[in-house]
Amino acid sequence: DAKTTQPPSMDCAEGRAANLPCNHSTISGNEYVYWYRQIHSQGPQYIIHGLKNNETNEMASLIITEDRKSSTLILPHATLRDTAVYYCIVRVASGGGGADGLTFGKGTHLIIQP
Amino acid sequence: DAGVIQSPRHEVTEMGQEVTLRCKPISGHDYLFWYRQTMMRGLELLIYFNNNVPIDDSGMPEDRFSAKMPNASFSTLKIQPSEPRDSAVYFCASSLREGQETQYFGPGTRLLVL
Repeated sequence: DAKTTQPPSMDCAEGRAANLPCNHSTISGNEYVYWYRQIHSQGPQYIIHGLKNNETNEMASLIITEDRKSSTLILPHATLRDTAVYYCIVRVASGGGGADGLTFGKGTHLIIQP
Repeated sequence: DAGVIQSPRHEVTEMGQEVTLRCKPISGHDYLFWYRQTMMRGLELLIYFNNNVPIDDSGMPEDRFSAKMPNASFSTLKIQPSEPRDSAVYFCASSLREGQETQYFGPGTRLLVL
């Protein structure tokens, strides 16, 4: 699986949009971009994933650049409960023969300020 | 569904003792994963099963660690004998049908070996 680069920490004011960047310049054509987050003392939680089109669900939006070398996770209206470590992971698409386990980097510690 | 269930939530033991961690995956999920999280190494995959069969145990640190999945609704991770460096949070996760599907994590077991 491709390696990702994320800033170690970010701050965001409550109620504002939180934009978390991820660099994955070595991503392959069959690799998806996944985002998970881990709230303190809890297990990681799936947020969203995408291949090349922008994606949106009830939790967040995922914007992937046209060359797929970077992406941004957007939490549109951050709340204090969004304070967590956010992990960007790239991995082979279903059936693509890649490893099944998730490879976590250090992630971005997002702190929502009141 | 109650989600992935892990027990115990906390375990304190003395060096040399046997430790058994337990996991009940989400009903109907075919894949089960064991991860370990430490400050030094972050989140790392230990082993995973597909339809109760171990597929990749390359992440298991040494022979003191063993994992079993006797049926689709139960798995154990055993450490014997335990050492202080085994102190960590151990997470179990499961996914539906294929490993590249979204993984759902349990709350984790916090292990402290004195």
